[in-house]
Amino acid sequence: KQEVTQIPAALSVPEGENLVLNCSFTDSAIYNLQWFRQDPGKGLTSLLLIQSSQREQTSGRLNASLDKSSGRSTLYIAASQPGDSATYLCAVWGGATNKLIFGTGTLLAVQP
Amino acid sequence: EAGVAQSPRYKIIEKRQSVAFWCNPISGHATLYWYQQILGQGPKLLIQFQNNGVVDDSQLPKDRFSAERLKGVDSTLKIQPAKLEDSAVYLCASSLDWDEQYFGPGTRLTVT
Repeated sequence: KQEVTQIPAALSVPEGENLVLNCSFTDSAIYNLQWFRQDPGKGLTSLLLIQSSQREQTSGRLNASLDKSSGRSTLYIAASQPGDSATYLCAVWGGATNKLIFGTGTLLAVQP
Repeated sequence: EAGVAQSPRYKIIEKRQSVAFWCNPISGHATLYWYQQILGQGPKLLIQFQNNGVVDDSQLPKDRFSAERLKGVDSTLKIQPAKLEDSAVYLCASSLDWDEQYFGPGTRLTVT
């Protein structure tokens, strides 16, 4: 059974800092991995999708890496801003279950 | 391109009452998903449709939950009768095929 874990559960940083969010998964036979952002009371916004054959994806100040063999992904946020405050969710597709399995998220607070 | 639409955005009902949620996916997206997100957890897949056929409903509590996708476009999710533990955000998502999922804003259900 695929399990997705995100560490830390919560993170508070001052504005301007670079930060890393971690995601690990137990079954490495995945098709892709997605990072989402969720604002309070809102739906999910897709940030980056990494196919299993890829090592990383970049979008603006965001960079996501994937190490499938070790079951890990990181989301790097450069020069954090207060507007980055949200919950960040990692999800993997594939493995034994052909569905998107989510982690419990990291709640990020960027202090001005 | 219009996103995934959901209604209502909020719903408060008493236990044992019935409730229905509506979702309109992105135009042309064949795959539609319903997720349940309990506070503090990641979303959990309830049911997945490919056009108007059910692909996976293994985690749908079929004694009280039902869903349909007539004509392979809009979808409704119904709960009858509701229990206190059904309080959650119900998210609808769609994808072109087995790839990146796009989420709607969700319906926040409170069962009292």
